[in-house]
Amino acid sequence: NAGVTQTPKFRILKIGQSMTLQCTQDMNHNYMYWYRQDPGMGLKLIYYSVGAGITDKGEVPNGYNVSRSTTEDFPLRLELAAPSQTSVYFCASSSSQPLLQHFGDGTRLSIL
Amino acid sequence: GEDVEQSLFLSVREGDSSVINCTYTDSSSTYLYWYKQEPGAGLQLLTYIFSNMDMKQDQRLTVLLNKKDKHLSLRIADTQTGDSAIYFCAESKGANTGNQFYFGTGTSLTVIP
Repeated sequence: NAGVTQTPKFRILKIGQSMTLQCTQDMNHNYMYWYRQDPGMGLKLIYYSVGAGITDKGEVPNGYNVSRSTTEDFPLRLELAAPSQTSVYFCASSSSQPLLQHFGDGTRLSIL
Repeated sequence: GEDVEQSLFLSVREGDSSVINCTYTDSSSTYLYWYKQEPGAGLQLLTYIFSNMDMKQDQRLTVLLNKKDKHLSLRIADTQTGDSAIYFCAESKGANTGNQFYFGTGTSLTVIP
């Protein structure tokens, strides 16, 4: 079972560059999430989506954008990369009953 | 905001029991979870408990929930070296908050052979 798949696994960007982190799930989950994890910290919610065509800001949305054109895909876009966005990014999806969240393996992003 | 707090580190000897603790502030939490994160990997759901339950047991794992004190614990019996990882506590209030999840900072468990 594929579950939640994130690409790429690693990436190095220069300041000011843009990129899209890809996330896809094959469990037909309505809910999808993007988190960032900084060293020694828990997960901070960037954006989430309750279904195709619907997205909402989380705790730390500045500098990021998302779209949800299909149930399966929830890409995260960085338009102007900044060093503060160096982090590990996790995508997750969840069922609603019961409310269980499944994570991808993460994208390790460094901005230099 | 939501506050979920955990101690940062725990060391135990192989074969002993581990108890990882978590406190949360919002009494309206509907679901509470424990996740395990191994180095370089994503978060793996270990177990979860509904807020109307006091205890849940799943093989070597026992979850205890004290709603009055807003305290959640995870006990790992017969701890093995493969249990060394970071353990995250999380809560959710379900559809009332768009099914958002709130995570603690994680407890790093080290198992000493």
